[in-house]
Amino acid sequence: TQLLEQSPQFLSIQEGENLTVYCNSSVFSSLQWYRQEPGEGPVLLVTVVTGGEVKKLKRLTFQFGDARKDSSLHITAAQPGDTGLYLCAGAYYGGATNKLIFGTGTLLAVQP
Amino acid sequence: NAGVTQTPKFQVLKTGQSMTLQCAQDMNHEYMSWYRQDPGMGLRLIHYSVGAGITDQGEVPNGYNVSRSTTEDFPLRLLSAAPSQTSVYFCASSYFGTQYFGPGTRLLVL
Repeated sequence: TQLLEQSPQFLSIQEGENLTVYCNSSVFSSLQWYRQEPGEGPVLLVTVVTGGEVKKLKRLTFQFGDARKDSSLHITAAQPGDTGLYLCAGAYYGGATNKLIFGTGTLLAVQP
Repeated sequence: NAGVTQTPKFQVLKTGQSMTLQCAQDMNHEYMSWYRQDPGMGLRLIHYSVGAGITDQGEVPNGYNVSRSTTEDFPLRLLSAAPSQTSVYFCASSYFGTQYFGPGTRLLVL
């Protein structure tokens, strides 16, 4: 079974701080990041496909490692609205992105 | 569009009881999946379907059955509930790699 390890598991920061969340895995063909708010299902933030790829979504920056074995999510000037569970999920070579392997998640709390 | 809907939202079962978790989507997506989410475990794939009449097992299929008679519906059946099946269950449909999740069903098995 392929695994995705996320770190840290929990993160509590003050509004305005920066943070980075990491996702390490075996080699995947593509990797997705989701955010999940309490009582709801995960919502897709971004998909990265190419080794070394960087994508930005407002204050969120996503990076896929050159060897496609790791990814990071960096949030600049965190806001209380960023609070939630951040999940990475990988689709491996030969598989379809409807069969994802999910990481265990990073629970982020941003205090006002 | 309602997207992906799941019923019920909450359910309490006794060990040995059976039940069906309903999932429906109105986006005409071919791919649908069922996941369970447990603390510290992330989401794990139970069963998935690539179209009406076609289903296959995921990582943790034991104790669950699925069928896909229409594109819209993908019910998950618990044959004989066990406390280990206490979890939050999410249904998802996907299109070109993007998964759309329902709001989840919270199941407690006593």
